[in-house]
Amino acid sequence: GAVVSQHPSWVICKSGTSVKIECRSLDFQATTMFWYRQFPKQSLMLMATSNEGSKATYEQGVEKDKFLINHASLTLSTLTVTSAHPEDSSFYICSAPSTGTEAFFGQGTRLTVV
Amino acid sequence: AQSVTQPDIHITVSEGASLELRCNYSYGATPYLFWYVQSPGQGLQLLLKYFSGDTLVQGIKGFEAEFKRSQSSFNLRKPSVHWSDAAEYFCAVGARDYKLSFGAGTTVTVRA
Repeated sequence: GAVVSQHPSWVICKSGTSVKIECRSLDFQATTMFWYRQFPKQSLMLMATSNEGSKATYEQGVEKDKFLINHASLTLSTLTVTSAHPEDSSFYICSAPSTGTEAFFGQGTRLTVV
Repeated sequence: AQSVTQPDIHITVSEGASLELRCNYSYGATPYLFWYVQSPGQGLQLLLKYFSGDTLVQGIKGFEAEFKRSQSSFNLRKPSVHWSDAAEYFCAVGARDYKLSFGAGTTVTVRA
């Protein structure tokens, strides 16, 4: 079946630095991708909708200047956490709907900011 | 506004016993309902989905779910649990675009 690849699987960064997370649809094109955030033992919260060729749509309360989303091609969306701080530490997951089938999720990225 | 409630945070079940996970939703239109499973540190795998039609939906790994509009519920069931079913289970509601709202999740522990 369709696969979504997310990279890196885990990353540790220093406070104040930026981190880029990639989400790729490997065998289908995705005009839309979604970015979720998951805190330990909690549910997934939708952060933003990534739209190929246009600006992302952010959910209420999500800082668009901190979480930069770029969807430059039909198979790649990136989430950049800018000036990361310890409170940004979380599990970030992307999903990409494949037309007529289902949404496929990446394996997630564990971000730890120290 | 759309929301999902999973009343059970944690369920422990014996291997071979039946399992039922509860899910209640709130949605302003015809809901599209999903159940996902997540293993530790992993992404989500779709177990089953309901868009329309037969309210009893069959999924992968022997799971099924029943949509009950009158109760705003979409409970997940499995007749006989295997140790490999230990995981986190999420119910979600949304539309066909797959922009989803998730419940808080239910952790399933399987004892031998």
